[in-house]
Amino acid sequence: GAGVSQSPSNKVTEKGKDVELRCDPISGHTALYWYRQRLGQGLEFLIYFQGNSAPDKSGLPSDRFSAERTGESVSTLTIQRTQQEDSAVYLCASSFPGRAQYFGPGTRLTVL
Amino acid sequence: AQKVTQAQTEISVVEKEDVTLDCVYETRDTTYYLFWYKQPPSGELVFLIRRNSFDEQNEISGRYSWNFQKSTSSFNFTITASQVVDSAVYFCALSETTSGTYKYIFGTGTRLKVLA
Repeated sequence: GAGVSQSPSNKVTEKGKDVELRCDPISGHTALYWYRQRLGQGLEFLIYFQGNSAPDKSGLPSDRFSAERTGESVSTLTIQRTQQEDSAVYLCASSFPGRAQYFGPGTRLTVL
Repeated sequence: AQKVTQAQTEISVVEKEDVTLDCVYETRDTTYYLFWYKQPPSGELVFLIRRNSFDEQNEISGRYSWNFQKSTSSFNFTITASQVVDSAVYFCALSETTSGTYKYIFGTGTRLKVLA
């Protein structure tokens, strides 16, 4: 498809388990972003990839969070030893620099 | 530092009324971009409008319009003749070009309820 896709759409896990979330950006978009959105809240920036530059990790809330991106394609966000406060919708977006971001449908993470 | 403020937490209007959503931003850059996004109850964020700080280039569609005032650092968004389908949370966002990066800062959102 032409849009940003994310998988899984829903993930339920037990506290302490690791989870991996995937994002497939729009082909050709050099910038990729991860955000977290807690229920009824705004978007919290997590990490930003731009081409081959070092990612901007300034929004990652703890060292349990990490992300990788292969070239200008797929990205994975990994949360280790999940906690209940990690429960949220994780949104991925891609764009050309300075242009509109296009968002995926999100992954709803529930940590029991 | 970047900052985006959406002071209106929630607005309710009756269908066919015009409604303006406020956005105030802070930036030290002279070149930056401003955006509005819509998040309907389904949850997926939809791009609406982009505005450059340095020229008149803009994007607009249908019943949507904006009022960009550099002097007051505001980027207000107006929906004309609102419809029930406009009910959503609307986010304003700012992107600077500091150091060649394009990190986006989002406001906290305004929830719009359009009543039939």
